[in-house]
Amino acid sequence: DGGITQSPKYLFRKEGQNVTLSCEQNLNHDAMYWYRQDPGQGLRLIYYSQIVNDFQKGDIAEGYSVSREKKESFPLTVTSAQKNPTAFYLCASSPRQFYGYTFGSGTRLTVV
Amino acid sequence: GIQVEQSPPDLILQEGANSTLRCNFSDSVNNLQWFHQNPWGQLINLFYIPSGTKQNGRLSATTVATERYSLLYISSSQTTDSGVYFCAVASNFGNEKLTFGTGTRLTIIP
Repeated sequence: DGGITQSPKYLFRKEGQNVTLSCEQNLNHDAMYWYRQDPGQGLRLIYYSQIVNDFQKGDIAEGYSVSREKKESFPLTVTSAQKNPTAFYLCASSPRQFYGYTFGSGTRLTVV
Repeated sequence: GIQVEQSPPDLILQEGANSTLRCNFSDSVNNLQWFHQNPWGQLINLFYIPSGTKQNGRLSATTVATERYSLLYISSSQTTDSGVYFCAVASNFGNEKLTFGTGTRLTIIP
C-alpha cells in the first residue's frame, strides 16, 4: 500500500544536539513538506520541495535544514540553533504543489 | 499575509447532532482546503473547495469566495468525528503556500 512514513514516532533530544527526522513516501509524489505544530495551534510550514535537489524555505525555516536527494525521501534536521524545538512535526507529500496532501503520522520531539 | 480565523474554537456535541464549523479569511483565495486531525495526530484531507459546494457522505462544505468564508457541515455526528478541523487557504495575490487556521476542536459524546 502506498503511504508516507515518519520515524521515529517519539524523539528525545538533549539541548545543543542536532537531530534528524525521517520522512519517506512511496506515492510517487513530486512535492514534499515539513510542518511544525505547537499545542492549540495550526500547522506552520518549515520547508517544502517540488523536485529532487531543490527546496524552499517556509515561514519558520530558521534552525532547521533539509535535503531532497531522492524523490521518496525528505529528511528534516533540527539543529541546535532552533531555540524552541519541542513540538509535533508533520511531513506531507502531494502530487501537485499545495494540493492533495497525504500526511505522515508525525514525530513528537521533546528537548530534555 | 492572509489571515485565517476559525470558529468556534471548541465544540462539544452529543452523538447524532449536526454541526457547522466556520472559516473566515482576509483575502481572495485560489486554494482552500479542510482537514481533520484525529486525537492521535493523524491528518487527512477532507475537501479542496476554493468555491462552491461539495459533499462526501455525512460531510459537506460550502465556500462563498466573494464573502470570504467557508463552512464545514457535519451531520449525524459520530464519536469518530472527534478531533480538530483545520481550514487552510492560499491567497490569489501571494505565493501558493497554504496558511492554516488554528482549528476547531470537536468532541462528540456518546
